[in-house]
Amino acid sequence: NAGVTQTPKFQVLKTGQSMTLQCAQDMNHNSMYWYRQDPGMGLRLIYYSASEGTTDKGEVPNGYNVSRLNKREFSLRLESAAPSQTSVYFCASSDGTGGLSGELFFGEGSRLTVL
Amino acid sequence: LAKTTQPISMDSYEGQEVNITCSHNNIATNDYITWYQQFPSQGPRFIIQGYKTKVTNEVASLFIPADRKSSTLSLPRVSLSDTAVYYCLVASGSFKTIFGAGTRLFVKA
Repeated sequence: NAGVTQTPKFQVLKTGQSMTLQCAQDMNHNSMYWYRQDPGMGLRLIYYSASEGTTDKGEVPNGYNVSRLNKREFSLRLESAAPSQTSVYFCASSDGTGGLSGELFFGEGSRLTVL
Repeated sequence: LAKTTQPISMDSYEGQEVNITCSHNNIATNDYITWYQQFPSQGPRFIIQGYKTKVTNEVASLFIPADRKSSTLSLPRVSLSDTAVYYCLVASGSFKTIFGAGTRLFVKA
């Protein structure tokens, strides 16, 4: 049982380049999330998808776009990367809402560096 | 969304009980309190969740007073492997699950 799988695990970009972070979960969860974590900081919610076909902004959505491709997959796209987007990105999934279901399952993270 | 306040860091020794308190003064009636643990270079991991009074599982206990304006995560007899960041979250039916800065626990031998 793989849980939440993120690709790539590491990526280096130049300013202005674009890229997509992929996330897939095999737990048949309805909701999926993208967070970013800067060094020594907590996690900040970028976007979330409450169910297949819906997406909503979190705390820090600027500079990002997302796609809920199907129930399993939720991708995060950086259209024009900036050094301020250097961070570790975590994808998570949950069977219900993050609060009531009690448990977010996280991937191992994708470490992105923008030069 | 209820804001949470936790100590930035705590130190402990192996074998001691560690209590981490989280303040959430504007918690709403529907809000649950959830704690996560994060090791370096890993995603957070769920520890425990509660609504009121006391919840215990194989890893920790969660104490919530009657007014629910705070909660305490209790880790019995910590070991070096419990060194991690611990996050307190307050959330209800909203999907906007917000993490605060967390508490860095350092367990010494």
